[in-house]
Amino acid sequence: EIVMTQSPDTLSVSPGERATLSCRASQSVSSNLAWYQQKPGQAPRLLIYSASIRATGSPARFSGSGSGTEFTLTISSLQSEDFAVYFCQQYNDWPLTFGQGTRLEIK
Amino acid sequence: QVRPVQSGAEVKKPGASVKISCETSANTFTNYAVHWVRQAPGQRLEWMGWMNTGNGDTRSSQNFTDRVTITRDTSASTVYMELSSLRSEDTAVYYCASTVFFGQSRLDLWGPGTLITVSS
Repeated sequence: EIVMTQSPDTLSVSPGERATLSCRASQSVSSNLAWYQQKPGQAPRLLIYSASIRATGSPARFSGSGSGTEFTLTISSLQSEDFAVYFCQQYNDWPLTFGQGTRLEIK
Repeated sequence: QVRPVQSGAEVKKPGASVKISCETSANTFTNYAVHWVRQAPGQRLEWMGWMNTGNGDTRSSQNFTDRVTITRDTSASTVYMELSSLRSEDTAVYYCASTVFFGQSRLDLWGPGTLITVSS
């Protein structure tokens, strides 16, 4: 199965600053990659799909890039509601697999 | 798409089975695929399987061998996931998620999750 590895595990950033989260696949997943946000006690919410397309309702400050094995989620100017855990997921092959998550915390 | 609605939390004993329901849109039930994903404490999200609600075809992760069964009740716009031979490691929040794509896909809308606790 394709192993997804995210870095860092925890990222401390001040509100208003930029955050950059990384996701690496153990083999190419083309652009079949999604990003999710999860807040405590809530289900994950789709933010980005096809590596760079914002899902309906995702704010413009969220952007995704990359293809193949290296992907990035960027949050341009952090708002208080953005502090959460972020997961990447590949859907290029079965089984669908997820990264371990990056916790974005307030610095 | 309508956000899925899931059944409530349950406590099960080791060796038992649990069946979780996921109700999606009544009018467009067969237009959306349904996937099942679980999240154990401290673990990453784990995909379990999916159903093509249009024709009832299913596919499950090999990580669960023959323990996962996914079924549907079209008249109730509901998909079910049954997990058998429960063990303590199956304690987790179980999510269903719907998507407009059939097959390997992103997961568009997630249900609220169902907490399953396996304990003697």
